[in-house]
Amino acid sequence: GESVGLHLPTLSVQEGDNSIINCAYSNSASDYFIWYKQESGKGPQFIIDIRSNMDKRQGQRVTVLLNKTVKHLSLQIAATQPGDSAVYFCAENRGAGTGGGNKLTFGTGTQLKVEL
Amino acid sequence: EPEVTQTPSHQVTQMGQEVILRCVPISNHLYFYWYRQILGQKVEFLVSFYNNEISEKSEIFDDQFSVERPDGSNFTLKIRSTKLEDSAMYFCASSEGGGASQPQHFGDGTRLSIL
Repeated sequence: GESVGLHLPTLSVQEGDNSIINCAYSNSASDYFIWYKQESGKGPQFIIDIRSNMDKRQGQRVTVLLNKTVKHLSLQIAATQPGDSAVYFCAENRGAGTGGGNKLTFGTGTQLKVEL
Repeated sequence: EPEVTQTPSHQVTQMGQEVILRCVPISNHLYFYWYRQILGQKVEFLVSFYNNEISEKSEIFDDQFSVERPDGSNFTLKIRSTKLEDSAMYFCASSEGGGASQPQHFGDGTRLSIL
């Protein structure tokens, strides 16, 4: 089958520490992998993505790592802040392909809690 | 920063009634999507739309569902005869282009409650 899933449902970190959120995927055909942040009562917010031919991409305070050998994706957040508290979803996009739809397939989400 | 807006934020409807969820995508975006999220579950793809046509739809998007771009700014999702299991958050998203490199930007959703 095909799936995008997360290892841990809840992650608690101290403010200022680094956070690492993990995701496993099973379909090797995905073109892009994306991380979204969802705060309570809000829609998913795009954080960062990585193309399948890359293994690392950095943004502002965030880094995404892709290990295609073990089909693993991670999101690293540096110096975690209270405003980072949210649910984080990984998603995959296989591109337009034959379906033409560019749909996102989401994982189940990890709740990140930042403790003061 | 431009954003996707959705109305209403909460819709309560009797089972069997029709409901229309409305979205205003980001103005220069050409690709539009609907997703839903049942409480406590994953975000699930429903449909993608481009150039006034459905590009792809999921198994969830059966004959009870339809989408429309009635004018130059709105994008709607209609459920013809709602069922209890249609209760969920419905998210609209849009992207500037149709490739996988184009981020999809989401609205804050409409909570649909079917009684």
